[in-house]
Amino acid sequence: QQQVKQSPQSLIVQKGGISIINCAYENTAFDYFPWYQQFPGKGPALLIAIRPDVSEKKEGRFTISFNKSAKQFSLHIMDSQPGDSATYFCAAKLGAQKLVFGQGTRLTINP
Amino acid sequence: GAGVSQSPRYKVTKRGQDVTLRCDPISSHATLYWYQQALGQGPEFLTYFNYEAQPDKSGLPSDRFSAERPEGSISTLTIQRTEQRDSAMYRCASSLGTGGFYEQYFGPGTRLTVT
Repeated sequence: QQQVKQSPQSLIVQKGGISIINCAYENTAFDYFPWYQQFPGKGPALLIAIRPDVSEKKEGRFTISFNKSAKQFSLHIMDSQPGDSATYFCAAKLGAQKLVFGQGTRLTINP
Repeated sequence: GAGVSQSPRYKVTKRGQDVTLRCDPISSHATLYWYQQALGQGPEFLTYFNYEAQPDKSGLPSDRFSAERPEGSISTLTIQRTEQRDSAMYRCASSLGTGGFYEQYFGPGTRLTVT
């Protein structure tokens, strides 16, 4: 019940295209939903986050869509660039600051 | 400091040995977290500290794992009698606090290999 399921495992998108990564959860006690970006050899870094009372949040080319009734949320990367190639993790916060992470999506943007 | 630092970056140890991993958080951060990240997976929560208090140890896999933060800054994660299944990346993160949502800043990790 504490799991966050993420798909797809890997994704290849052409430069300029839209990258979409999806996550689903069961536990309604989760109260914050961040996305992290991780480059090889580095730790995850916060990309964008959303509260469950908001249906969409946009920051530059990155948008989170949140569907509370379906218990699903997704990351959309518009105008994807080769520099966006990384592993992306969705996460959900439980309690004080415990983060439960999805399995990750390896995104490759072809030039 | 400028960011979260961890040492060593790589550690190879023989099964049955004890290992201690170190985390140096961002200096102004009250809260420190430990995660275990298997290859190709997301980080899994182990434990966290609020200053020197350790309110949640729920993610520690067994009593062979322990963590300390005696002065509320640097933390260590100790694995006793290591087993091959302990091989993973161990990541430390820190944040300003715990109320609401505070960004967790992750360190580069320690890759532990148990042979």
